[in-house]
Amino acid sequence: SQQGEEDPQALSIQEGENATMNCSYKTSINNLQWYRQNSGRGLVHLILIRSNEREKHSGRLRVTLDTSKKSSSLLITASRAADTASYFCATDDNQGGKLIFGQGTELSVKP
Amino acid sequence: GAGVSQSPSNKVTEKGKDVELRCDPISGHTALYWYRQSLGQGLEFLIYFQGNSAPDKSGLPSDRFSAERTGGSVSTLTIQRTQQEDSAVYLCASSFDGEQFFGPGTRLTVL
Repeated sequence: SQQGEEDPQALSIQEGENATMNCSYKTSINNLQWYRQNSGRGLVHLILIRSNEREKHSGRLRVTLDTSKKSSSLLITASRAADTASYFCATDDNQGGKLIFGQGTELSVKP
Repeated sequence: GAGVSQSPSNKVTEKGKDVELRCDPISGHTALYWYRQSLGQGLEFLIYFQGNSAPDKSGLPSDRFSAERTGGSVSTLTIQRTQQEDSAVYLCASSFDGEQFFGPGTRLTVL
């Protein structure tokens, strides 16, 4: 079953621009995590935000969480061509830590 | 090695054959997860092991799928009588405190 819904499904921007991806979910969560995936393999953990947190930063990444709206956003500032990848949100629904993933946003950053 | 490893990296099999996929988690991680990802899709949870507790098998799609975790470390995912719809990338992750670290996956192709 799919918990997270992400939009947009695909995003194409120019290098230097900011990229914003959104994720909505359905049930209460323990935490929400964002992952990056290149070429269908190699899932890389980007950032984890807990249900009692509202915003978190890591380098050029900024994640927000609104539990009242059951939504999160990932902002990548000053994008680079190397940021081109698929980005997934995943929720931990407090049932043992298994993650429920969204369908992902395919980001393309053009040089 | 420092990360999660999986073997084989690629497996091609004929419909009806059994396959075994292996996952070596990060040493000391108590939780181990299996997911699969079909082409262009997000990750689908399959099964979860936590310490010595009974595994959460709620994501297994059929009784042809099973998994073991021996000695609290290495895990094997077995698919019996493979079908073409089993073709996917099978990803393993391990965790200690919530953040999941993923292996590179096994790409399974059932002809």
